Amino acid sequence: ETGVTQSPTHLIKTRGQQVTLRCSSQSGHNTVSWYQQALGQGPQFIFQYYREEENGRGNFPPRFSGLQFPNYSSELNVNALELDDSALYLCASSLKGAGNTIYFGEGSWLTVV
Amino acid sequence: QQQVKQSPQSLIVQKGGISIINCAYENTAFDYFPWYQQFPGKGPALLIAIRPDVSEKKEGRFTISFNKSAKQFSLHIMDSQPGDSATYFCAASDRSYIPTFGRGTSLIVHP
Repeated sequence: ETGVTQSPTHLIKTRGQQVTLRCSSQSGHNTVSWYQQALGQGPQFIFQYYREEENGRGNFPPRFSGLQFPNYSSELNVNALELDDSALYLCASSLKGAGNTIYFGEGSWLTVV
Repeated sequence: QQQVKQSPQSLIVQKGGISIINCAYENTAFDYFPWYQQFPGKGPALLIAIRPDVSEKKEGRFTISFNKSAKQFSLHIMDSQPGDSATYFCAASDRSYIPTFGRGTSLIVHP
């Protein structure tokens, strides 16, 4: 167990709806990253949050947004859901300045119908 | 543009055999090369990692070989076991510490 917890584990949404996914980082970690993993693909970096601010962003449209809270937990919000948003969404936490190791949660499976 | 290319897509080996997964990268700014192991229903977990100042790193049955001039690195799993059956991802990161992942290799080890 990595100590990174995500919720919900599975959910189904309709195209055009909005979704919020949640992540609690490992104790002591101050950086949270979100990844999208489509079936049969490697994780794709969405964005990273450090000290409640976005600290890097991958090639994802603005309808993907996030938040990091003072306790370092985080949310991923996706607006105007599209069928292609169906994927496993992974949260990863790390301690900035302590090396490259990131620890993944078990993910939230999102199905858009 | 796929910055980290991984092969093969799938691999089947017999118990006790050697599993070899290869990756190639393009960005010369990459300076950290981890391998992740992912079991069904789980998130990826760090398996072993290497920096380009060494050509090989071994941890138990797992070895990374690194060729900086060719911009290639590989994972060798010695004495493969059925419990090693999982999807393996190579990755690479620069000073941002944000890894770019390969597309993954599904490994099946037959008993």
